[in-house]
Amino acid sequence: SQQGEEDPQALSIQEGENATMNCSYKTSINNLQWYRQNSGRGLVHLILIRSNEREKHSGRLRVTLDTSKKSSSLLITASRAADTASYFCASGGAGGTSYGKLTFGQGTILTVHP
Amino acid sequence: EAGVAQSPRYKIIEKRQSVAFWCNPISGHATLYWYQQILGQGPKLLIQFQNNGVVDDSQLPKDRFSAERLKGVDSTLKIQPAKLEDSAVYLCASSWAGRGRNEQYFGPGTRLTVT
Repeated sequence: SQQGEEDPQALSIQEGENATMNCSYKTSINNLQWYRQNSGRGLVHLILIRSNEREKHSGRLRVTLDTSKKSSSLLITASRAADTASYFCASGGAGGTSYGKLTFGQGTILTVHP
Repeated sequence: EAGVAQSPRYKIIEKRQSVAFWCNPISGHATLYWYQQILGQGPKLLIQFQNNGVVDDSQLPKDRFSAERLKGVDSTLKIQPAKLEDSAVYLCASSWAGRGRNEQYFGPGTRLTVT
């Protein structure tokens, strides 16, 4: 079963607007990663944030992590039509049988209209 | 740098038949993963290899699925016999040093349809 819950399931915005996606997880993590998937390029890694980090930036991406709430968010600023894709969070387990295991959420479908 | 290679890209079989998928990871990546992605869901880990050894196969349906990684490089995933619910995209990924600490690089996947 999927550990992560993503919110919203689908998001539709206009080009230039910001897009925010949220992710929750259930067990302790070593890190949390975000991936993008579209039909053209498959599943691509976007950004990784470690459990001892609270915020990380990469270009137009900003990721936050709140381990006390077991949640993360991905912000895409100044969105472009090319950002249209499914976005997945993936939690890297920290202990026991989950150690090292990457568990994906259900994903958020983002549509950016030109 | 060449990416993760997978073949075939598409496969249609009837239930109870067998099928095999092949994966060639990025050169030098010690860790290799097989995922199953059902339409509308996120990828689910089936099996993880570290070099030749299996690290995690807890979600692999071992009565019908098998996987091997020869010489710590290429890998094959087999389903025998296939069921209708096995229809999905099978993704192979690799990373430098597994255990979820580093990013994973994914292949294009094999879309399996079981009729």
